Amino acid sequence: EDQVTQSPEALRLQEGESSSLNCSYTVSGLRGLFWYRQDPGKGPEFLFTLYSAGEEKEKERLKATLTKKESFLHITAPKPEDSATYLCAVQVGGTASKLTFGTGTRLQVML
Amino acid sequence: EAGVAQSPRYKIIEKRQSVAFWCNPISGHATLYWYQQILGQGPKLLIQFQNNGVVDDSQLPKDRFSAERLKGVDSTLKIQPAKLEDSAVYLCASSLGLGGPVTQYFGPGTRLTVL
Repeated sequence: EDQVTQSPEALRLQEGESSSLNCSYTVSGLRGLFWYRQDPGKGPEFLFTLYSAGEEKEKERLKATLTKKESFLHITAPKPEDSATYLCAVQVGGTASKLTFGTGTRLQVML
Repeated sequence: EAGVAQSPRYKIIEKRQSVAFWCNPISGHATLYWYQQILGQGPKLLIQFQNNGVVDDSQLPKDRFSAERLKGVDSTLKIQPAKLEDSAVYLCASSLGLGGPVTQYFGPGTRLTVL
């Protein structure tokens, strides 16, 4: 069974204090690893897709990396508006394309 | 480009009542998904449609949940009768196709409270 584990569950940072969120996975036949951001009362918002080990993608203060067992979401010099829950999900091979999600990391960035 | 639309945004019902949710995907997206997100957890897939056919409904509690996508565009998800444990946010997502990796785009969700 596909498993996705995210850590930490919650993270509080000061504005400008860089850190990383972790997503470890156990799947057979990874097709893609996805990062989403979810604000309270809203649906998940797509951030990145990573396809193969060694791949990196960046968007503003966020950088996602992928190895064969885990992915990291690095947040550089975060701002209060980066506060949200960050969800990691995997998609495996086959005809279906469902996402299996982790439980998320709740990030709070303080002034 | 308009995103995924869902209604209603909130619904409160008594247990054993029935409820229905509606979803309109992004225009041109052939694949539509319904996810259940319980507080503090990640979304869990309930059912996936490709056009108006079911691709995966292995995690749909079929004794009480049903879903349809008759014309291959919008979809409804129904719960009858509802239980307390059905309290959750129901998310609809859509993507261009199958196989992949395909990016899924989510709607705002319907928050269901069962009393």
